[in-house]
Amino acid sequence: GEDVEQSLFLSVREGDSSVINCTYTDSSSTYLYWYKQEPGAGLQLLTYIFSNMDMKQDQRLTVLLNKKDKHLSLRIADTQTGDSAIYFCAEKGTGRRALTFGSGTRLQVQP
Amino acid sequence: SAVISQKPSRDICQRGTSLTIQCQVDSQVTMMFWYRQQPGQSLTLIATANQGSEATYESGFVIDKFPISRPNLTFSTLTVSNMSPEDSSIYLCSVGTPTNEKLFFGSGTQLSVL
Repeated sequence: GEDVEQSLFLSVREGDSSVINCTYTDSSSTYLYWYKQEPGAGLQLLTYIFSNMDMKQDQRLTVLLNKKDKHLSLRIADTQTGDSAIYFCAEKGTGRRALTFGSGTRLQVQP
Repeated sequence: SAVISQKPSRDICQRGTSLTIQCQVDSQVTMMFWYRQQPGQSLTLIATANQGSEATYESGFVIDKFPISRPNLTFSTLTVSNMSPEDSSIYLCSVGTPTNEKLFFGSGTQLSVL
């Protein structure tokens, strides 16, 4: 079945850039997503990218997609302490209505 | 984006009892889903809530354990039946945009079973 993998933990200093990586196996993925989950909260959709795009930028967020390698990354510029959270990568394949999620990457931002 | 209200936000329940979780959306949506997030884990799809018909369950989830209702296009409930400590999780309601391009989530229900 479909599989999405992420590293578990990333620690950065405030003001630095953060890069969170994700790999997936479904070659039919149409959309790929990044969600943010803060403690005790639901999931907030940060951004998403259609599979025929290589890059998408939205303010401090840059998503890069390498479809050949099935690799997705999220770059957060000028990382702030408020960015500390768990970031989930997710994908939706052709013909599927729900998403498949990765295990989440815990981002810790140190002052 | 849709505004999703999920109730209760948390509950502590006794083994063997049942809990019904409600999900209310501020607009009509076609696609509604229920996910489970076990402690420290990722999200797993439980089922797709279909309006006017039986929910579509994923492998490993059954209607007797997780009955779902979807009486209209803005509301759904998920019941966790005959609970055991292994059911302790966050349960999340999710809705899709009309083109199902984006999926939004409620704030979740934190369930602890003693």
